[in-house]
Amino acid sequence: EVQLVESGGSLVQPGDSLKLSCVASGFTFSNYWMDWVRQTPGKSLEWIGAINTDGSKTNYAPSIKDRFTFSRDNAKTTLYLQMSNVKSDDTAIYYCTRNYGGYDYWGQGVMVTVSS
Amino acid sequence: DIQMTQSPSSMSVSLGDTVTITCRASQDVGIYVNWFQQKPGKSPRRMIYRAKNLADGVPSRFSGSRSGSDYSLTINSLESEDVADYHCLQYDEYPLTFGSGTKLEIK
Repeated sequence: EVQLVESGGSLVQPGDSLKLSCVASGFTFSNYWMDWVRQTPGKSLEWIGAINTDGSKTNYAPSIKDRFTFSRDNAKTTLYLQMSNVKSDDTAIYYCTRNYGGYDYWGQGVMVTVSS
Repeated sequence: DIQMTQSPSSMSVSLGDTVTITCRASQDVGIYVNWFQQKPGKSPRRMIYRAKNLADGVPSRFSGSRSGSDYSLTINSLESEDVADYHCLQYDEYPLTFGSGTKLEIK
């Protein structure tokens, strides 16, 4: 059974840093691109970026470029999202997704709240 | 960026109704449109992929279609378990973009 389990969500202040993790199981993690998608309190879904199979290529949405960094450890079947200089607009539920056929599997999501 | 204009934003429906939700793509995305169902407190679930293909385990009352740049999700004989939010997604090119969502509510 494919599972994606995120962790690391928290309440942080503007300008802080935070690292999210997504542990994958039930499939050959190293064979898949992985994406991050977030959902704001208004419920819209926003693609924020992707990372290729070996972590050598990333693609970021303009809204998070230069502030967020994606990485992965295929040996640990874990995906990471390093957030820095967070803003109130980054308040959202963050999902990791398997990028196959347009997101066939999603994690349960973690809440990140940015507030002073 | 490709815009996916989804309508309606909400629908008040009755059990047994046929419901159609539409997304219009601002440029050609071919067949690369998916539909997701999302229930409160849950992550999205892929229902339709490549515009018209039923994802594993999805009831046959759900269907997807395409007419030009318009993509539709139809639910026949709506059941109570179908009450949820629905989102379309284009994955033809980055940045991938979602529609703004449709909320189904029971009358």
